[in-house]
Amino acid sequence: DVKVTQSSRYLVKRTGEKVFLECVQDMDHENMFWYRQDPGLGLRLIYFSYDVKMKEKGDIPEGYSVSREKKERFSLILESASTNQTSMYLCASSFAGASTDTQYFGPGTRLTVL
Amino acid sequence: AQSVAQPEDQVNVAEGNPLTVKCTYSVSGNPYLFWYVQYPNRGLQFLLKYITGDNLVKGSYGFEAEFNKSQTSFHLKKPSALVSDSALYFCAVRKAGNKLTFGGGTRVLVKP
Repeated sequence: DVKVTQSSRYLVKRTGEKVFLECVQDMDHENMFWYRQDPGLGLRLIYFSYDVKMKEKGDIPEGYSVSREKKERFSLILESASTNQTSMYLCASSFAGASTDTQYFGPGTRLTVL
Repeated sequence: AQSVAQPEDQVNVAEGNPLTVKCTYSVSGNPYLFWYVQYPNRGLQFLLKYITGDNLVKGSYGFEAEFNKSQTSFHLKKPSALVSDSALYFCAVRKAGNKLTFGGGTRVLVKP
């Protein structure tokens, strides 16, 4: 079974802090994704990586950056956390072969910014 | 631009009754459509996908979905709902670059 893990289930930070969310997958997937989930808005793509050191902006990249130094690990960084970044953050991964490949999701990190 | 709409925020159904969760889409080109489910305090789990071929797609946990090109719909169905099917359901469409666009989600509540 594919396993996608995220470093924290719950996180509480203060405004202005630098926040790191970590995601690790064990299936040698090329693609990795970061989404945020908000009620009524579904999931919105923040950033996407299709290879080590490669990244592409998603639909809502403002206020976020990412890092992918190793194939299995994809980090989401909030340079200066703000209250409007309080949300559920979901990581996903997939093979790069066909555009129909399924994305597999981690359990999510619920981030609260005070 | 690709988009997905789930017109119902919540669906209530009695256990044993049929369950339908609606999804409509807007894409250019051939649609690749997905359904995911999220149980409380869990990540999203893949249920099924439509790529091509038979319009009726069967997936996990007894769910199926019907692709209707003329109505641009991809409704999720289960003939007999269980209390354990209570969860948040998301429809999604693939767009260029292996990225997904998700609908807003539909909460399903199955009552005993």
